[in-house]
Parts: sequence; structure tokens; C-alpha cells
Amino acid sequence: DIVMTQSPDSLAVSLGERATINCKSSQSIFYSSDNKNHLTWYQQKPGQPPKLLIYWASTRESGVPDRFSGSGSGTDFTLTISSLQAEDVAVYYCQQYYDVPHAFGGGTKVEVK
Amino acid sequence: EVQLVESGGGLVQPGGSLRLSCAASGFTLNNYWMHWVRQAPGKGLEWVANINRDGSGKYYVDSVRGRFTISRDDAKNSVYLQMNSLRSDDTAVYYCARDPGSRSDHWGQGTLVTVTS
Repeated sequence: DIVMTQSPDSLAVSLGERATINCKSSQSIFYSSDNKNHLTWYQQKPGQPPKLLIYWASTRESGVPDRFSGSGSGTDFTLTISSLQAEDVAVYYCQQYYDVPHAFGGGTKVEVK
Repeated sequence: EVQLVESGGGLVQPGGSLRLSCAASGFTLNNYWMHWVRQAPGKGLEWVANINRDGSGKYYVDSVRGRFTISRDDAKNSVYLQMNSLRSDDTAVYYCARDPGSRSDHWGQGTLVTVTS
């Protein structure tokens, strides 16, 4: 099974500053057949279901602010919030869709410093 | 508007059974894979199971394989999770989610399953 490891577990960032979250898979999640990395990012606020932010590692879901961006390939991926807003306080998860079980990372809690 | 509404959660004793339902509306269910994902209290997300568009393919995380069964009834616009031989570590909020291709783009609000004696 593919294991997803996120870092850090938590981070505190000042409003307007950049937040960077890392996600590493135990094996490559790049499909050569479709030339895509099958890595997805979600945001979850307390008491709410997860919300899709990014899929295929770097494709932003419709309606997601452009301060959210995803990058990386193979086994190493990054979610960047370019200018943290108060409403971005949440837990962020990565998930791989390369193979079942579609494992999630352990989550990264983002707070305001 | 796409909506997913889970139901069927509740309090159950270890070894008991529950059947969760996920009612879908606002889209054509048989165009999508569907997933169940759970979240234990205060913990992270855990993928549980998924089912392909025609119901012929079903996949499970190891910890539930043989105890849980995912199914769908497109005529009733519903996806189900039959959970047998429940254990305390199955206690969680269970979410259903729609998959248009390598992501879950819509999620329900979840239903809480509590396994306790």
C-alpha cells in the first residue's frame, strides 16, 4: 500500500504570509498513461466535510482562490497558500488516487501566528 | 445543485451491524465512482471503500475488508455501506463522496457511527 506522509503536522503563519505544506508518497503516483500525478489536496474546517482544493497535483478546483497552488511530481508534492487569509485556518490533507487504498496524509493544521 | 446526504449512523454494540445510506441528488449517479471516507473523533481522514460506475468493482481498506460491503442502487440514487462485526475502532463520522475522476469533488455532511458497549 502507498503511504502518504505530510509535513509539518502544524504551522503558524502571519496573515498575508506564505504557508507551505509538504506531502510525500512512498512510491511514485505518476501515471505515464495519462501523464498525470494522481495527488489531491483538501481543506477541512472544524465541523465540516473536506473541501476539494487541488487535483492532479496542480489543477485548481473551480471556485478555489488562486492563492492556493499545488506543485510537485513523482513522490514529492507541495501545497502553497501564497498569502494566508483568516478564512484559510483549517487542516489540509493530501490524498493519492494512484491505487487503492486511496490513502490520505495525516493532515497539517494551519493557524494564524 | 449537487447534494449528498448520509444517514443510518447511530449507537451500536461491538459485533453489531449498521447500514449507512448516501442519497444523491443534482447529478446522474451512474456517471460517477463513489467513495466512503471516515474520520474518527479528533483524527484524520481514512479512505474506507469505493465502487465503480456500474457496481462491478468494489475496493476496501484492509481494516474493513470482509466486514463492510459497499453497494449502489442508481435507480434509487443511493450508495450504501453495510457494516458488520463492528468494532470500537470503527467509531467515526462516515462521509460519502463523489468522484468524477481521481478526486472527490462533493462530500456529504457525514453520519456518526459510535461503537460502544
